[in-house]
Amino acid sequence: QVQLVESGGGLVEPGGSLRISCAASGFIFSDYYMTWIRQAPGKGLEWIAYIGGSGNTIYYADSVKGRFTISRDNSKNSLYLQINSLRAEDTAVYFCAREMVGPTHAIDYWGQGTLVTVSS
Amino acid sequence: QLVLTQSPSASASLGASVKVTCTLSSGHSSYPIAWHQQQPEEGPRFLMNLNSDGSHIKGDGIPDRFSGSSSGAERYLTISSLQSEDEADYYCQTWGTGIQVFGGGTKLTVL
Repeated sequence: QVQLVESGGGLVEPGGSLRISCAASGFIFSDYYMTWIRQAPGKGLEWIAYIGGSGNTIYYADSVKGRFTISRDNSKNSLYLQINSLRAEDTAVYFCAREMVGPTHAIDYWGQGTLVTVSS
Repeated sequence: QLVLTQSPSASASLGASVKVTCTLSSGHSSYPIAWHQQQPEEGPRFLMNLNSDGSHIKGDGIPDRFSGSSSGAERYLTISSLQSEDEADYYCQTWGTGIQVFGGGTKLTVL
């Protein structure tokens, strides 16, 4: 079955950097667009970025453009998010998600999330 | 600008039905959406992909109690025979070229 498992979250000081990962299994990873979404404590879902199956198509939300970098390694069935210049408002649970195949960006599977806390 | 609007809360009694609404912004009434459920302290779960004509494809294992429909710019999620485990946050999601958007979420309380 499809599984997405995030890792790499933790406590980081403001201005610091972090790379979080998502290990995928149960499907042909390279066939799918993948997405990062975050959820601040007590808040709703916020889309961050998505990446095409080959890694050639990448888009970011305006709120993170220039600080966040999405990437993937299809040989390792893994998705990554590099987060630089961390701010308190980046504190959130970060979810990786798979998009449905086809002319759609509907998400059909989610991970359980990894918590990133930005604090001194 | 592509925006999804949801009422912050909804409630209905155990065993009853409830309809949760997601409204697309002006000029985007033909867009498809997806519905997701998030139970407390868990990651979201995909419920269905819902088109403007009301056709929908549900996720794996989603009960028949969950259905979708559309009217103009509004997309609906109907849950019938409400159970206690349906108490959760419900989010709609849509997309355009280079962007994805989520609604603010609707917190469903089962009375």
